[in-house]
Amino acid sequence: EVQLVESGGGVVRPGGSLRLSCAASGSTFADHGMSWVRQVPGKGLEWVSGITWSGDSTDYADSVKGRFTISRDNAKKSLYLQMNSLRAEDTALYYCARGFNYGPFADWGQGTLVTVSS
Amino acid sequence: EIVLTQSPGTLSLSPGERATLSCRASQTVSSDYLAWYQQKPGQAPRLLIYGASSRATGIPDRFSGSGSGTDFTLTISRLEPEDLAVYFCQQYARSPRTFGQGTKVEIK
Repeated sequence: EVQLVESGGGVVRPGGSLRLSCAASGSTFADHGMSWVRQVPGKGLEWVSGITWSGDSTDYADSVKGRFTISRDNAKKSLYLQMNSLRAEDTALYYCARGFNYGPFADWGQGTLVTVSS
Repeated sequence: EIVLTQSPGTLSLSPGERATLSCRASQTVSSDYLAWYQQKPGQAPRLLIYGASSRATGIPDRFSGSGSGTDFTLTISRLEPEDLAVYFCQQYARSPRTFGQGTKVEIK
């Protein structure tokens, strides 16, 4: 099991940028693909992006492709999501989760809230 | 994109009753890469079932998953008050990894 703690959320104006971080504890972070999943409070879950254990392959939902970039630093046991050109519809609680290619999302953080508003 | 449709939208049952939740996929979910998650109010989702029928670590055996292809089911054999939650199915066979819209389980 991996414990995950997200940070970096906040209020940002449309068109602005934000970088989310996810700190992992446990010795197995580097062994697993990781993902970001978002949820508008009271609504459903939307997978946003994923990255392989090595970082050599990434994938994005069409809704964020070209605007968001996922990355990781295994030495720091950290996952990141750089979000550019933010839109009102990006407003959501963003979770990091352990899992990506051909694997369920086995562990989740508690989420960090991103609000895009003028 | 594989669209997952869950039914019913809300299930209201008494403690001890059996709950049956459905998840139907718009295309075959290969290798049964289908998971179920439980999300209690104010909490992050928790993995219950993966591979359509395998229970995740620490999940009580009253939770079971079944199905293949395009039709999947989560069964809670005897509802407990703490099972109040929204349950989501998810396919992780193909990009984008999609979720169903959720089934809310209410306890009478």
